[in-house]
Amino acid sequence: AQSVTQPDIHITVSEGASLELRCNYSYGATPYLFWYVQSPGQGLQLLLKYFSGDTLVQGIKGFEAEFKRSQSSFNLRKPSVHWSDAAEYFCAVGPCPHGSGNTGKLIFGQGTTLQVKP
Amino acid sequence: DAGITQSPRYKITETGRQVTLMCHQTWSHSYMFWYRQDLGHGLRLIYYSAAADITDKGEVPDGYVVSRSKTENFPLTLESATRSQTSVYFCASTRDTNQPQHFGDGTRLSIL
Repeated sequence: AQSVTQPDIHITVSEGASLELRCNYSYGATPYLFWYVQSPGQGLQLLLKYFSGDTLVQGIKGFEAEFKRSQSSFNLRKPSVHWSDAAEYFCAVGPCPHGSGNTGKLIFGQGTTLQVKP
Repeated sequence: DAGITQSPRYKITETGRQVTLMCHQTWSHSYMFWYRQDLGHGLRLIYYSAAADITDKGEVPDGYVVSRSKTENFPLTLESATRSQTSVYFCASTRDTNQPQHFGDGTRLSIL
């Protein structure tokens, strides 16, 4: 069965420091992978996505992620964190098939809350 | 560019009452989804819809009903609300199954 694991529930980094958020997945084929960010009281905003091709993908707000098939991972990175990056981050995998059709469903990890120290 | 809107943003109701959460998108996306977000569980899929008049259950459908008579609307109804349904509910849509989902700002529902 498809699943997503984000091993870190909370992470605290200092402003200006580098960041890596971990995501491991279980999927029977080549997955579509996503990172979303959620600010307090807001919906989820797409940071980046991987469908195929180059395994290092660039996203918005200076984020990037690397797809490593051998490790079943899709870790999110940022070289220098800003205070405005404090939020909750979700990794997701899809699409999840149903019978003979593709439903577009995603499976989300439980999220990682990022705190940024001044 | 309205996108996807959810209403109401906040709702307080009592156990046993019926409550409907609305979701409207202006992109004519075929696929729509309802999630609930609870601490420690991330986002869990309640129901989804591949097109008008086509809906199917997700991971946690019990106690919920959906309909999709028009492509742009996907209301979620709690027929007899229970305290365990206190949560934040998100609606999402996507044009195609190989595209990212776009999320509304959520409805925070409290059931007393």
